[in-house]
Amino acid sequence: QKEVEQDPGPLSVPEGAIVSLNCTYSNSAFQYFMWYRQYSRKGPELLMYTYSSGNKEDGRFTAQVDKSSKYISLFIRDSQPSDSATYLCAMRANRDDKIIFGKGTRLHILP
Amino acid sequence: AAGVIQSPRHLIKEKRETATLKCYPIPRHDTVYWYQQGPGQDPQFLISFYEKMQSDKGSIPDRFSAQQFSDYHSELNMSSLELGDSALYFCASSSGTDPSGANVLTFGAGSRLTVL
Repeated sequence: QKEVEQDPGPLSVPEGAIVSLNCTYSNSAFQYFMWYRQYSRKGPELLMYTYSSGNKEDGRFTAQVDKSSKYISLFIRDSQPSDSATYLCAMRANRDDKIIFGKGTRLHILP
Repeated sequence: AAGVIQSPRHLIKEKRETATLKCYPIPRHDTVYWYQQGPGQDPQFLISFYEKMQSDKGSIPDRFSAQQFSDYHSELNMSSLELGDSALYFCASSSGTDPSGANVLTFGAGSRLTVL
């Protein structure tokens, strides 16, 4: 079993819809949780960063962490075609550790 | 703002050849990470350096080696290339003195290696 599990999709939703992306993990030591967005042939770009449990909101994006369930989510409100990309969850145990990535979910926002 | 610079962007090699990828981190970033991303796969951690010393090692084959130089740039050397080495190779950098305490990684655009 991989340390981080993420449904690869693809996930297709109409423009304006709310998108929910999720990851589960097995290592209870993970404390730092990130969401990266990766466009085709580009490097991953940091979207959201959360430490420990709780919610964090940044514009149309909300990240949620539930450490008791080992489950993290990213919500995208008012989705736009430009949000079409692969979204990778990532996590680490300590702030100096390597990051472990999920497989990434391919998201298509249909105009 | 300056980003992580990787070169070359594209590289084509034949089996058993050698390849070298270069990474120039964001200025004042002291840590460099190398990741390998195969087609449709998540990035796999290879190796990292902090202040020019290897700080962590992941699934890096023995045929690969890397180092970080005095100017903090890093090079990934790959020898006896195999078809399965074809992938995107990402370098990322971070700063241990990030005032936010996050020490988040900033990725470069990647180097695409194709082994024929």
